[in-house]
Amino acid sequence: DVKVTQSSRYLVKRTGEKVFLECVQDMDHENMFWYRQDPGLGLRLIYFSYDVKMKEKGDIPEGYSVSREKKERFSLILESASTNQTSMYLCASSLSGDRDHGYTFGSGTRLTVV
Amino acid sequence: EDQVTQSPEALRLQEGESSSLNCSYTVSGLRGLFWYRQDPGKGPEFLFTLYSAGEEKEKERLKATLTKKESFLHITAPKPEDSATYLCAVQASWWGANNLFFGTGTRLTVIP
Repeated sequence: DVKVTQSSRYLVKRTGEKVFLECVQDMDHENMFWYRQDPGLGLRLIYFSYDVKMKEKGDIPEGYSVSREKKERFSLILESASTNQTSMYLCASSLSGDRDHGYTFGSGTRLTVV
Repeated sequence: EDQVTQSPEALRLQEGESSSLNCSYTVSGLRGLFWYRQDPGKGPEFLFTLYSAGEEKEKERLKATLTKKESFLHITAPKPEDSATYLCAVQASWWGANNLFFGTGTRLTVIP
């Protein structure tokens, strides 16, 4: 069964901390994505990557960075966490040109910044 | 401006009471429309992709249809286990090969 695994289900961090959210997929997918999901706002794209060491900004990249050193791993970094970054973070992956199967999502990381 | 709007925001149904969820979109160059199911505390799970107006796809009690302006997710004789949030997403030709733009979802509750 194909999987996208996010390293933590729940995280509590303090304001100003550097936070790493890790995502690993075992499907050899080229494309990986980071979204945040907030009530009433839906899923919003933060960053995505089409290949190793490649990254593109999404709709809301401010305050975030990403790293993709290996094909299977895509990390989201909050350089200095703030309370407005409290949210559910979802990682997804997809195979280029394969629209028939959509994205495969991880289970999400619920981050609380206090 | 490109938009994806889902309605209603929330829907409560009695078990066996059929209904439809709506996803209306305004986007140039639709490449695909996607439906996902999301259970509380979990990531979305892929259901269907629709590519062109007139297309229909079915899976168990769910049937998705597509017109040039909207998509419907029909739920026939729902059961309590169908309770979830249903998300619609579109892929536009100019957004890049794989980017999706999501609606805010319809939260479905099926009462036994």
